[in-house]
Amino acid sequence: AQSVTQLGSHVSVSEGALVLLRCNYSSSVPPYLFWYVQYPNQGLQLLLKYTTGATLVKGINGFEAEFKKSETSFHLTKPSAHMSDAAEYFCAVSWGSGAGGGNKLTFGTGTQLKVEL
Amino acid sequence: NAGVTQTPKFRILKIGQSMTLQCTQDMNHNYMYWYRQDPGMGLKLIYYSVGAGITDKGEVPNGYNVSRSTTEDFPLRLELAAPSQTSVYFCASSQGTVRGNTEAFFGQGTRLTVV
Repeated sequence: AQSVTQLGSHVSVSEGALVLLRCNYSSSVPPYLFWYVQYPNQGLQLLLKYTTGATLVKGINGFEAEFKKSETSFHLTKPSAHMSDAAEYFCAVSWGSGAGGGNKLTFGTGTQLKVEL
Repeated sequence: NAGVTQTPKFRILKIGQSMTLQCTQDMNHNYMYWYRQDPGMGLKLIYYSVGAGITDKGEVPNGYNVSRSTTEDFPLRLELAAPSQTSVYFCASSQGTVRGNTEAFFGQGTRLTVV
């Protein structure tokens, strides 16, 4: 069955430290991959996406993610955390029309990022 | 651009009451979606639409109904509210492609409590 997994429901880092949020998918067909961020009491905002081409994708606010097909992963990183990065982060996948997924997104369960002074 | 607009932002319902969550988008997107978000569960797809007059069930459709009479609007109807429907509801839209590789744009959410 196709699924997406985010390891760690809560991650805490110090300001200035590396941020690493993990996302793995389970599928024989590589999906299209997205990271969204949700600030308190707001909707979801797209951080970055991988659909084709270069496997290292840069997004907004200094975040980037690398698609690794051999590891079925799409981990999100930021070299230096800022207090304003505190939010919930969701990995999402679309398996695309060819795999019967159409344009629907399937979300992971989310990772709450806490940034401490 | 307003993007995706949801109303109301908050609502408290009594068990058995009905209500409609409104969603409208001004991006001329063909796809629209309703998700619910529960703590620790991520977002679950309730219903989606690929265009006016066409809707289909998602992962958790029981207890909900939808309609899509125009490109812009995609209301979600709760007929007999139950405590299990206490959640945050998000409407989203996307410009669907043949490959299925486009991102969705989200509204601000409706926080619904059923008591």
